Amino acid sequence: GAVVSQHPSWVICKSGTSVKIECRSLDFQATTMFWYRQFPKQSLMLMATSNEGSKATYEQGVEKDKFLINHASLTLSTLTVTSAHPEDSSFYICSASSPPVRGYHEQYFGPGTRLTVT
Amino acid sequence: GESVGLHLPTLSVQEGDNSIINCAYSNSASDYFIWYKQESGKGPQFIIDIRSNMDKRQGQRVTVLLNKTVKHLSLQIAATQPGDSAVYFCAEIPNSSGGSYIPTFGRGTSLIVHP
Repeated sequence: GAVVSQHPSWVICKSGTSVKIECRSLDFQATTMFWYRQFPKQSLMLMATSNEGSKATYEQGVEKDKFLINHASLTLSTLTVTSAHPEDSSFYICSASSPPVRGYHEQYFGPGTRLTVT
Repeated sequence: GESVGLHLPTLSVQEGDNSIINCAYSNSASDYFIWYKQESGKGPQFIIDIRSNMDKRQGQRVTVLLNKTVKHLSLQIAATQPGDSAVYFCAEIPNSSGGSYIPTFGRGTSLIVHP
């Protein structure tokens, strides 16, 4: 159980276009979803936290108008990279949080989406 | 925790050896600590966790040690196999009474297992 999917798994787009990435919790309802960015050989950097039906909370330094997050249901969150530029090329990973099992809200990670902006 | 943004340290071991991966954390009030494994091109996978009131926890071939005095966490992998090659991240969960449960990830260590 506790499977999180992402779509697409990889995408190449031209500079200036927008790209939407979907994150779904397949077999549980996620109270909260998280979006991370990861550059090669580096750690995960939290971009934003989103709760269903409310506005996302962005980390300092993350442009909310550039990285649009929509959390329309308890099983789906989307990240749209608007007006993408080559520096936005990265590995984007989402995670979904379940109700406490071990005493904390365990996060289940998606497989990631590789974005390349040309 | 470890500085984010720096390149990953690497640990190379021979198949069959035991591996020890270390992590320093920053928040002495953290409630839980988690180790994740991330294979190339994939998302992180949960390996094992430990609560702050414990010093040691064992799983299948893995052991996590927590030293709160020096804020140090380690992951020991017994009889390391080529399939263990991955990047390993530690993460700390803030004290849940504070309302925030968002984990803070460490820098990560790249484990390379040579057959």
